[in-house]
Amino acid sequence: QVQLVESGGGVVQPGRSLRLSCAASGFTFSRYGMHWVRQAPGKGLEWVAVISNDGSNKYYAHSVEGRFTISRDNSRNTLYLQMNSLRAEDTAVYYCAKPLRATPISFLIDSWGQGTLVTVSS
Amino acid sequence: EIVLTQSPGTLSLSPGERATLSCRASQSVSSNYLAWYQQKPGQAPRLLIYGASSRATGIPDRVSGSGSGTDFTLTISRLEPEDFAVYYCQQYAESPITFGQGTRLEIK
Repeated sequence: QVQLVESGGGVVQPGRSLRLSCAASGFTFSRYGMHWVRQAPGKGLEWVAVISNDGSNKYYAHSVEGRFTISRDNSRNTLYLQMNSLRAEDTAVYYCAKPLRATPISFLIDSWGQGTLVTVSS
Repeated sequence: EIVLTQSPGTLSLSPGERATLSCRASQSVSSNYLAWYQQKPGQAPRLLIYGASSRATGIPDRVSGSGSGTDFTLTISRLEPEDFAVYYCQQYAESPITFGQGTRLEIK
């Protein structure tokens, strides 16, 4: 079955950087575009970024564009999110998410990891 | 970007009752690319409905979705104890993907 396991979260000071990883298994990772979605404590869901199956296309939410970079390593079945210039408002649980359909980029998400908490605080 | 507004914010009902949740979009959602998710405390969201009315794998038929254009509805015909959770609508017609703010379904 599909497994998505995020790691790399923690407490970081404003302005610093952090890299999240998501280890994928149970499906052919290289066939799927992949997403990051976040959820601030007690708040709703916010889409962050998507990357195409081959890594050639990437799209970002306005709130993170220019600061965050999504990438992937298909040989390692791993998705990444490099987060720079972190702000207090980036504090959230970050979910790695897989779409329902195996297309270069699909926006319909059907599987989620359990998330990793990022806390930006001095 | 497409803004999704869910109502009500909180819905208080008893097991066995019918729940009707609304999601309104700021502009028409192309091809009715509208999904519904359920989220329980401490858990990741779970896909319930996509394409406005198609049930995801394993979702019981007492859960249904309807609507088109800008107005969508999630209906749970007979509430079970496990249905009490937060529900989000999401449009996946265009980037950026957007979610509604959520409806909390609580036990009365």
